[in-house]
Amino acid sequence: DAKTTQPPSMDCAEGRAANLPCNHSTISGNEYVYWYRQIHSQGPQYIIHGLKNNETNEMASLIITEDRKSSTLILPHATLRDTAVYYCIVRSRNNAGNMLTFGGGTRLMVKP
Amino acid sequence: ETGVTQSPTHLIKTRGQQVTLRCSSQSGHNTVSWYQQALGQGPQFIFQYYREEENGRGNFPPRFSGLQFPNYSSELNVNALELDDSALYLCASSLRGVDSGNTIYFGEGSWLTVV
Repeated sequence: DAKTTQPPSMDCAEGRAANLPCNHSTISGNEYVYWYRQIHSQGPQYIIHGLKNNETNEMASLIITEDRKSSTLILPHATLRDTAVYYCIVRSRNNAGNMLTFGGGTRLMVKP
Repeated sequence: ETGVTQSPTHLIKTRGQQVTLRCSSQSGHNTVSWYQQALGQGPQFIFQYYREEENGRGNFPPRFSGLQFPNYSSELNVNALELDDSALYLCASSLRGVDSGNTIYFGEGSWLTVV
């Protein structure tokens, strides 16, 4: 599975949109982009995933560039409870099991 | 709430002992995997089970072993515990499909401290 690069940390003001970038320049056409987050001492929480098109659900939006080499996770109105480590993971379509390769993630701090 | 439950939530063991951690996967999920997360690190894949057989393994020694039962619940066993085994152990489950577009759900983990 392709490697991802994320900034180690980011700050965001409460109520503002949080835009978390991820670089996956070596991604291949059969690889999904997944986002998880982990709040301190809890298990990773699934947020969203996509292949080519932008995706939106009740938690967030995922914007994937046309060349698929990078993506941005958008939390539209960040709250203090969104403070967590966010992981961007690339996963092959051939990987139908549960193996995910976690990198360092981005530690998002939402401030009042 | 992911429907993946793990027990125990916390435990303390002595170096050299053996430990068994348990996981009940989300209803209908046929694939379960285990991860180890040391303090300050991201989760590391240990192995996964599909239809009661090990179906993929990360870079962990044989003293890490597991089982999957017919109801898809699972156990992680670690023998000859070492101090470095102290970590959060996470269970994840999914319904295996034809490709990886399925969602993987994690439990809250079991904190193991080896003294």
